[in-house]
Amino acid sequence: EPEVTQTPSHQVTQMGQEVILRCVPISNHLYFYWYRQILGQKVEFLVSFYNNEISEKSEIFDDQFSVERPDGSNFTLKIRSTKLEDSAMYFCASRRQGQEGNTIYFGEGSWLTVV
Amino acid sequence: QQQVKQSPQSLIVQKGGISIINCAYENTAFDYFPWYQQFPGKGPALLIAIRPDVSEKKEGRFTISFNKSAKQFSLHIMDSQPGDSATYFCAASMSEKGNMLTFGGGTRLMVKP
Repeated sequence: EPEVTQTPSHQVTQMGQEVILRCVPISNHLYFYWYRQILGQKVEFLVSFYNNEISEKSEIFDDQFSVERPDGSNFTLKIRSTKLEDSAMYFCASRRQGQEGNTIYFGEGSWLTVV
Repeated sequence: QQQVKQSPQSLIVQKGGISIINCAYENTAFDYFPWYQQFPGKGPALLIAIRPDVSEKKEGRFTISFNKSAKQFSLHIMDSQPGDSATYFCAASMSEKGNMLTFGGGTRLMVKP
């Protein structure tokens, strides 16, 4: 069964450093998302991406965040200058187009620890 | 108005019992209501989903009941098993907002053998 894959599974970084989280969405999917989950809390929407541009973003997704689809398969989330409160599990997700494409499939997550 | 409220926060059920988790929403523009199951250290996995034109949907031991007028929906897990022990999230999305999911707060379910 096709799946969303994410790397790294866990990253520890110093406060103020830049971090790039990588994702390979399911191959025939056209909508891509990043969500985050602070330990023990609910999953929160960060950003959605379609047709090579951001389609929606939450207030969490401020200027320190950016997303990119550098090639036909990867989808990345960059955090420019990490803060302690950025420590969370970051989930990439994707879905395909069309009426039956409501299902959003999540990856296993990248656990980011900022120290 | 974007919130989805979920209850209870935690639930303990005996093996074979029925687990019931409830969610409520405010925004009537939501048009898709999925439930996700999450095991520790894993990503959320879609369990079952419903659209507002249907009042109930059943898949195996899992049933969603949907009350459009009350803006509430619930997940029923029949014959609950220890392997069902996980965190369950309800969510809602709207087509006009790119189907981005708004999640409820989650329910940690423990099924005792």
